[in-house]
Amino acid sequence: DAGVIQSPRHEVTEMGQEVTLRCKPISGHDYLFWYRQTMMRGLELLIYFNNNVPIDDSGMPEDRFSAKMPNASFSTLKIQPSEPRDSAVYFCASRNTTGGLSGNTIYFGEGSWLTVV
Amino acid sequence: AQKVTQAQTEISVVEKEDVTLDCVYETRDTTYYLFWYKQPPSGELVFLIRRNSFDEQNEISGRYSWNFQKSTSSFNFTITASQVVDSAVYFCALVTLNTPLVFGKGTRLSVIA
Repeated sequence: DAGVIQSPRHEVTEMGQEVTLRCKPISGHDYLFWYRQTMMRGLELLIYFNNNVPIDDSGMPEDRFSAKMPNASFSTLKIQPSEPRDSAVYFCASRNTTGGLSGNTIYFGEGSWLTVV
Repeated sequence: AQKVTQAQTEISVVEKEDVTLDCVYETRDTTYYLFWYKQPPSGELVFLIRRNSFDEQNEISGRYSWNFQKSTSSFNFTITASQVVDSAVYFCALVTLNTPLVFGKGTRLSVIA
């Protein structure tokens, strides 16, 4: 399996610009998660989906952040407008809860390293 | 609510020493899964192991071993004969059937040659 695929790997953008991060989960996985990692706050859950439906977005910092999952194989996390404090590594992860005892492992993508200047 | 505590913020050992990373968790659910992830300097989160709450059997994989004890709500990770390549941040995490993954704050391991 190809694993969780994220793009872009690195992005540098100017304050005020729109940023779109993309994620392709592992095929057949029914949960998708977006996490953010910073030195100050560690790993934070932003939002997660179950079968493409957003379940909990309470971790989304503010209205500038939005996430969608139009189908089982694609999700986006958008920041508009971006600010320097959004600089972080954004991880996407997916989970298969239907795999019985061999399921429920959560795999992460390589992360998208965002720098807002 | 779920909680994972990794009390050791940083550990430094000399190569070939054994080192144990501690993890204590809290949950009221009877079905849950525990994980360890490794985050090397390159930044990715690498899955190491998953344990479900019904399986307390300890596991060994090469130089890595894990000790799961429900009685103390602990899931400790031991690296035997540590190597420089083991230097990384290690995260313990917990998930239940219907909740997302909750991470500990991580333990930064430095192995010195």
